[in-house]
Amino acid sequence: DAMVIQNPRYQVTQFGKPVTLSCSQTLNHNVMYWYQQKSSQAPKLLFHYYDKDFNNEADTPDNFQSRRPNTSFCFLDIRSPGLGDAAMYLCATSRVKRDEQYFGPGTRLTVT
Amino acid sequence: DQQVKQNSPSLSVQEGRISILNCDYTNSMFDYFLWYKKYPAEGPTFLISISSIKDKNEDGRFTVFLNKSAKHLSLHIVPSQPGDSAVYFCAASDPAGGTSYGKLTFGQGTILTVHP
Repeated sequence: DAMVIQNPRYQVTQFGKPVTLSCSQTLNHNVMYWYQQKSSQAPKLLFHYYDKDFNNEADTPDNFQSRRPNTSFCFLDIRSPGLGDAAMYLCATSRVKRDEQYFGPGTRLTVT
Repeated sequence: DQQVKQNSPSLSVQEGRISILNCDYTNSMFDYFLWYKKYPAEGPTFLISISSIKDKNEDGRFTVFLNKSAKHLSLHIVPSQPGDSAVYFCAASDPAGGTSYGKLTFGQGTILTVHP
């Protein structure tokens, strides 16, 4: 089945220790998104790629970066995680912009 | 500034009855709206959408209504089933040009519980 896969599902990192979250898709979609969702809050878009074109949300902290080495993979790098970065991180894809988005199961990040 | 709001954190409904989930938005430029359903330990899955040129869209047991003048949309589930128990998110799409095009702004979600 075509899908969006996120690894790992649970990640524990130490305060200030860089961490990378991974997303892959078999849908061959052009657009990939990273969202942050904190408890009982709405998912918040961090950035997205349209093919190789990277688009950063204005309020995404500089601590967060992303890489998309090919169509299938996208990575979220958190350079120096703080306690406030503990959240669920959701990856999503869409065929084109303004199309329905398909979400992965998320990675729950804990910062100790 | 929360542009999409779901004011009811939770809703409890009896099996077979109608579930009505509500969503309000403030940005009059939004022109495409979606509902997503989320089970625990899974990502949100797309349920149904509506364009601002329509006021109703139906798909099986699910109907979305859009009231543009009130900046309000609702999702009706009839009849409700225990398997519908999940968190429901509404989302609105930004029509602005440039990099914001297609961006989804989500509400906080409503937890629906359907009792047998």
